[in-house]
Amino acid sequence: DVKVTQSSRYLVKRTGEKVFLECVQDMDHENMFWYRQDPGLGLRLIYFSYDVKMKEKGDIPEGYSVSREKKERFSLILESASTNQTSMYLCASSQAWSLMTSYEQYFGPGTRLTVT
Amino acid sequence: AQRVTQPEKLLSVFKGAPVELKCNYSYSGSPELFWYVQYSRQRLQLLLRHISRESIKGFTADLNKGETSFHLKKPFAQEEDSAMYYCALRNRDDKIIFGKGTRLHILP
Repeated sequence: DVKVTQSSRYLVKRTGEKVFLECVQDMDHENMFWYRQDPGLGLRLIYFSYDVKMKEKGDIPEGYSVSREKKERFSLILESASTNQTSMYLCASSQAWSLMTSYEQYFGPGTRLTVT
Repeated sequence: AQRVTQPEKLLSVFKGAPVELKCNYSYSGSPELFWYVQYSRQRLQLLLRHISRESIKGFTADLNKGETSFHLKKPFAQEEDSAMYYCALRNRDDKIIFGKGTRLHILP
């Protein structure tokens, strides 16, 4: 069974703080993703990574950065948290795309971040 | 432009009635489509993928390339089907593009 774990279920931070959200997967997946989930807006991709030290911007990368130093770990960093970053953050992982496979993304349980 | 559209934010259906969650997509090329579901207080999980042509928990979805649709259907709704449903498309860059989601509410 694939496991994707996130370091915290709930976080409360102050405006201006640096915030680290950690995600770990145990299935040797190449791809890892960070999304935020907001009511009425659905899921929006922040960043994704298809290999160690590789990253690609998603749809809403502003105010975020990521780090992938090891294959199993993908960190999302809020350099200076703001109230509009209050959201549910979801991490996911998947195998790399190939012609022969239809993969799925496996999601973590989510981290609900509140910035006050 | 690559886009997934779920026109309904909220769908309320009586228990036992048929369910159809709409999904339309915009993509040049052969799309790979999925439905994800999130039950209350649980993680997002895959419900089904078009390539498998499977039925999961009574749900089916057929890819209609002519209408660019991938609607999710179930003939008889059950209370445990109440959840948030996301239609998603995977592109050749390995990005998953999600629709905004439809909350399905099954009425007793």
